[in-house]
Amino acid sequence: ETGVTQTPRHLVMGMTNKKSLKCEQHLGHNAMYWYKQSAKKPLELMFVYNFKEQTENNSVPSRFSPECPNSSHLFLHLHTLQPEDSALYLCASSQEIQGDGELFFGEGSRLTVL
Amino acid sequence: GENVEQHPSTLSVQEGDSAVIKCTYSDSASNYFPWYKQELGKRPQLIIDIRSNVGEKKDQRIAVTLNKTAKHFSLHITETQPEDSAVYFCAAGGSSNTGKLIFGQGTTLQVKP
Repeated sequence: ETGVTQTPRHLVMGMTNKKSLKCEQHLGHNAMYWYKQSAKKPLELMFVYNFKEQTENNSVPSRFSPECPNSSHLFLHLHTLQPEDSALYLCASSQEIQGDGELFFGEGSRLTVL
Repeated sequence: GENVEQHPSTLSVQEGDSAVIKCTYSDSASNYFPWYKQELGKRPQLIIDIRSNVGEKKDQRIAVTLNKTAKHFSLHITETQPEDSAVYFCAAGGSSNTGKLIFGQGTTLQVKP
């Protein structure tokens, strides 16, 4: 399979649950990203990984914990979330990290926190 | 911080009409300006981009113009079709100040048949 794939596509969790989002890219890209997409808001950059090293944490609360075991896989571990964390979480990858090349997005994981 | 302002937030046009979406950016060092289209329930996908060394770029029915002096750029869609209905995001990047892509708030375009 090619492109960027995310699982699960939909997730409902309680505030005390622990869950993880998974992202996989088969494009040979060096950079991977987590974005949060809420209604009526710009895409919010959460984390950036370059060659599996975290290069940016955009003031994200610690209840979101990223993990990048290799340059093809990216996880977002979730625990003790709040209802306002309900959103579409998009993973993306790019060849390099400079911000001047195409981002390839996954389909997203729609998260609902009850 | 650096930001990108996008207008309008919603746009409704009749099929066959033109649509224009405008963005302004704050970081004068930005040199890369992509546009992404996100259909309902789908992923954002790049439709066109422009770099700071050109003022205009066209690809069939879509075109982008860039005014670096005024720090604004626009997306033009001509002869709109119902399948153009989507959310469109502009972005600015390539700056040595931030090293990342900054997105606008998005424009929901509805093309009425």
